Amino acid sequence: DTAVSQTPKYLVTQMGNDKSIKCEQNLGHDTMYWYKQDSKKFLKIMFSYNNKELIINETVPNRFSPKSPDKAHLNLHINSLELGDSAVYFCASSLNSGRRNEKLFFGSGTQLSVL
Amino acid sequence: GQQLNQSPQSMFIQEGEDVSMNCTSSSIFNTWLWYKQDPGEGPVLLIALYKAGELTSNGRLTAQFGITRKDSFLNISASIPSDVGIYFCAGRGIQGAQKLVFGQGTRLTINP
Repeated sequence: DTAVSQTPKYLVTQMGNDKSIKCEQNLGHDTMYWYKQDSKKFLKIMFSYNNKELIINETVPNRFSPKSPDKAHLNLHINSLELGDSAVYFCASSLNSGRRNEKLFFGSGTQLSVL
Repeated sequence: GQQLNQSPQSMFIQEGEDVSMNCTSSSIFNTWLWYKQDPGEGPVLLIALYKAGELTSNGRLTAQFGITRKDSFLNISASIPSDVGIYFCAGRGIQGAQKLVFGQGTRLTINP
């Protein structure tokens, strides 16, 4: 069973479109995250939710809107896609937040290509 | 904000050689994590460190939490082809305890 699963694996779309990426974790964790990995492989946090509540919101364009219907799911909706949004987006989860010994478990990523 | 400097950025070695990479931070960290990322996959946790001076092994991998709490290193002994990938350090500082900061990654290539 996959612990953190995200769909789709690949997403190719035109500039200006709206798209969503879904993430689910079956680890019973309270905290979920979205990370963006650029072409140089740098990983940067975008958002974090703890038990459906937004706790980290980095400087991300407001075209990106996370939604957490329950603590096992964190979806990412992107409006008006731009070329610069092309990247790999990783969902991750941890047991909970605010504790220094929390470890992140990552999904396998969604490669977004905006044409 | 907190920044991590990971080096080297890439390594090209022969199978069987030992590997060493390190991370330094601009501020004190209280957690260091080392991850490996295979192509097309997400990072997978290798080793977690929580105390200054801590030395932890996972098979052929050994990582240490630096005494100054501003650095960590990862060693891989007797490398094998499946060690190929990108290795990331990640740390959590004293402030902003909820946010894990990642290094730029070390890309390891092994010649058989």
